[in-house]
Amino acid sequence: EPEVTQTPSHQVTQMGQEVILRCVPISNHLYFYWYRQILGQKVEFLVSFYNNEISEKSEIFDDQFSVERPDGSNFTLKIRSTKLEDSAMYFCASSEFEGLAGTNYEQYFGPGTRLTVT
Amino acid sequence: RKEVEQDPGPFNVPEGATVAFNCTYSNSASQSFFWYRQDCRKEPKLLMSVYSSGNEDGRFTAQLNRASQYISLLIRDSKLSDSATYLCVVVSNFGNEKLTFGTGTRLTIIP
Repeated sequence: EPEVTQTPSHQVTQMGQEVILRCVPISNHLYFYWYRQILGQKVEFLVSFYNNEISEKSEIFDDQFSVERPDGSNFTLKIRSTKLEDSAMYFCASSEFEGLAGTNYEQYFGPGTRLTVT
Repeated sequence: RKEVEQDPGPFNVPEGATVAFNCTYSNSASQSFFWYRQDCRKEPKLLMSVYSSGNEDGRFTAQLNRASQYISLLIRDSKLSDSATYLCVVVSNFGNEKLTFGTGTRLTIIP
């Protein structure tokens, strides 16, 4: 069964450092997402990406965040200057959108990257 | 008012019992509704979509009441493996847009 993969599984970084979280979505999927979950809190949407551009982003996704699909398989989330409050689990997700006629919103999540900022 | 609201629990239920979770959402224009489950420190996994007519998948039944902006999940004959956090999830827009999650309801099935 195809699955979303993410690397690394755990990333420890110092405050102010840049981090890049990597994701390989399911190969025939067209929409890509990043979510985060701070320990003990709910899953929060960060950004959605389609056709090589951001389609929607949340208030959390400020200028410190960026996303990229550098090749045909990877989807990355970059945090330029990490803060303590960026410590969270970051989930990548992908979906195959069938359009209004056959709406399919099922998003498949990767196992997550636990980011710890010290 | 929170976009998606759930009773956080925890629910501690004996094996074999029936348990029901409820969820309310604030945006009356919401289009799609789901229940996901999340095991401790794992990713959310889709359990089932929720349709206006109600739908059933084995021991799981989901209902949607658009007038009351209310979603429910019923688990019958609960198993130990049902222990998890159950997440109510809403999509507000047509198109493949963001999932809005509730805080989740933690369920523990007791042997």
